[in-house]
Amino acid sequence: GAGVSQSPSNKVTEKGKDVELRCDPISGHTALYWYRQSLGQGLEFLIYFQGNSAPDKSGLPSDRFSAERTGGSVSTLTIQRTQQEDSAVYLCASSSGLARFETQYFGPGTRLLVL
Amino acid sequence: AQSVAQPEDQVNVAEGNPLTVKCTYSVSGNPYLFWYVQYPNRGLQFLLKYITGDNLVKGSYGFEAEFNKSQTSFHLKKPSALVSDSALYFCAVRDDTGNQFYFGTGTSLTVIP
Repeated sequence: GAGVSQSPSNKVTEKGKDVELRCDPISGHTALYWYRQSLGQGLEFLIYFQGNSAPDKSGLPSDRFSAERTGGSVSTLTIQRTQQEDSAVYLCASSSGLARFETQYFGPGTRLLVL
Repeated sequence: AQSVAQPEDQVNVAEGNPLTVKCTYSVSGNPYLFWYVQYPNRGLQFLLKYITGDNLVKGSYGFEAEFNKSQTSFHLKKPSALVSDSALYFCAVRDDTGNQFYFGTGTSLTVIP
């Protein structure tokens, strides 16, 4: 079946503009994660959605970052008033959510460049 | 605090030789350990995971990893490296108390023909 998809694959924006990144998880997966991957860094956890529970937003770096998940499926990560340090690859992953050890499946990522 | 360490940024190995990519972890509860591989301009692909039971876990593409509780390690191994194994490898851990997965900073593996 289809894997996790993300759009756009690349995004170039100007400092101060808002951007929206989209993630379509694997059908039926209730858990969805957003990560940020900067050059030379590991994956930085941003936010976690599980079913209808309140999301775990503990990884969001500032109040310029927010995320929604509509209907338990598609998720959108929004970065307001982008800064150059926001430039990174943003990865989305989903899992079945049935257990804590369930495998995450990753999308190809959105590469964001803030000029 | 939960964390993962990959002490080597870069590992070089000759084709046909055994390879090891190191990972150590720190968690509060029981650990669930994962290895992922990332090829250029691609997302992460799952290789293998340890949940419980046998300490030696076998995964995709001939890779295996050994869970060592006393050393809090989960090193990735392969008996005979291929040039196509050249990629970035990430170790990750989650425990049975929290929501987050914690990832290491990655190890770049280069297999030399």
